Amino acid sequence: GIQVEQSPPDLILQEGANSTLRCNFSDSVNNLQWFHQNPWGQLINLFYIPSGTKQNGRLSATTVATERYSLLYISSSQTTDSGVYFCAIRENAGNMLTFGGGTRLMVKP
Amino acid sequence: KAGVTQTPRYLIKTRGQQVTLSCSPISGHRSVSWYQQTPGQGLQFLFEYFSETQRNKGNFPGRFSGRQFSNSRSEMNVSTLELGDSALYLCASSWTGTGDEQFFGPGTRLTVL
Repeated sequence: GIQVEQSPPDLILQEGANSTLRCNFSDSVNNLQWFHQNPWGQLINLFYIPSGTKQNGRLSATTVATERYSLLYISSSQTTDSGVYFCAIRENAGNMLTFGGGTRLMVKP
Repeated sequence: KAGVTQTPRYLIKTRGQQVTLSCSPISGHRSVSWYQQTPGQGLQFLFEYFSETQRNKGNFPGRFSGRQFSNSRSEMNVSTLELGDSALYLCASSWTGTGDEQFFGPGTRLTVL
């Protein structure tokens, strides 16, 4: 099956700093999503981005499908951005999402 | 529009018991998928249902089963619980399940003693 790797595994930032989270995948995909897992465990949708670039407020994402990676940018980070960020890939067959190991982000005030 | 709902939110069981978890998808969504999250294995796909039929299945033992009703609500059942079944169980819904965006519920946290 497809392999999904996220980096870095852990990230500590000072409030106001910018960051880039990376997701590498091993095969072609037709669905890529970024999620933020809140402290209670719920996965919050950030982006549905199989290719191209999208922006939503302080967050933006870029997926380069031909080079098999996606980037999540967080600008002017806030303490509420803390949590775990996951990228998830759907392969061409089936509807299963394969998740990366996540990036645990801590934003300090 | 209401999001995906899951009940119960927390559950404590003992080894050998069985448990049933419930998931109500977003109105109009017909695909429901289930995932297990543990610290050691991360997020893993259990199975997916569409129009009351299991369409995909992950690599889990037969103790894990599910079903979907005509209103798209889904249940998953775990029989003969083991300590290793302690996990956060998440369900996700999407329109058709053919690559469209999936939305997750708040999860059910199961503890097996």
